[in-house]
Amino acid sequence: DGGITQSPKYLFRKEGQNVTLSCEQNLNHDAMYWYRQDPGQGLRLIYYSQIVNDFQKGDIAEGYSVSREKKESFPLTVTSAQKNPTAFYLCASSILHRPSYEQYFGPGTRLTVT
Amino acid sequence: DAKTTQPNSMESNEEEPVHLPCNHSTISGTDYIHWYRQLPSQGPEYVIHGLTSNVNNRMASLAIAEDRKSSTLILHRATLRDAAVYYCILLTGGTSYGKLTFGQGTILTVHP
Repeated sequence: DGGITQSPKYLFRKEGQNVTLSCEQNLNHDAMYWYRQDPGQGLRLIYYSQIVNDFQKGDIAEGYSVSREKKESFPLTVTSAQKNPTAFYLCASSILHRPSYEQYFGPGTRLTVT
Repeated sequence: DAKTTQPNSMESNEEEPVHLPCNHSTISGTDYIHWYRQLPSQGPEYVIHGLTSNVNNRMASLAIAEDRKSSTLILHRATLRDAAVYYCILLTGGTSYGKLTFGQGTILTVHP
């Protein structure tokens, strides 16, 4: 089955620790995205990547970092510089980074930092 | 970024059609209209998208006004599984193309 996997589903960390969220896709999509969702809110774009070894900041990139070393993988690191890291994190992919293509989402990782 | 306006909530009965409206008066000629839906604690699911013409797929239909300043997502026969938050989003061309900007969405409640 083709799709996007995110792990783990739930993640707990202490304040001051960096944490890396996994995102893998086997859809052969070039574009991948990371979004953050806070309770009762819509999604906000953190980072996106149009192709391997390339990525751009979204609307709320401060305190986050990403890498895109392989087409299938786009991990997100939440650093200690992120002031409010507790949120629901969603990874998505698309055939190409174009408005005519839909995005497919993973199941999400709920991060709680205390 | 161009913005969309949706009602906060709507209700429907099972087996009845549902028309979910969206206003996007500042849409530009290269903006695509996308609809996604999201169940609690799950990732959004793509529903449908279009540019100028009405679109149909197995999940829904998208009716786009002639001036493109509004659109309507049509679920032909609502089921309990259609209860979700529905987001109407514009994907813009230019330097931001491909970026989804989600608003608050419409909470759809389906009654048995």
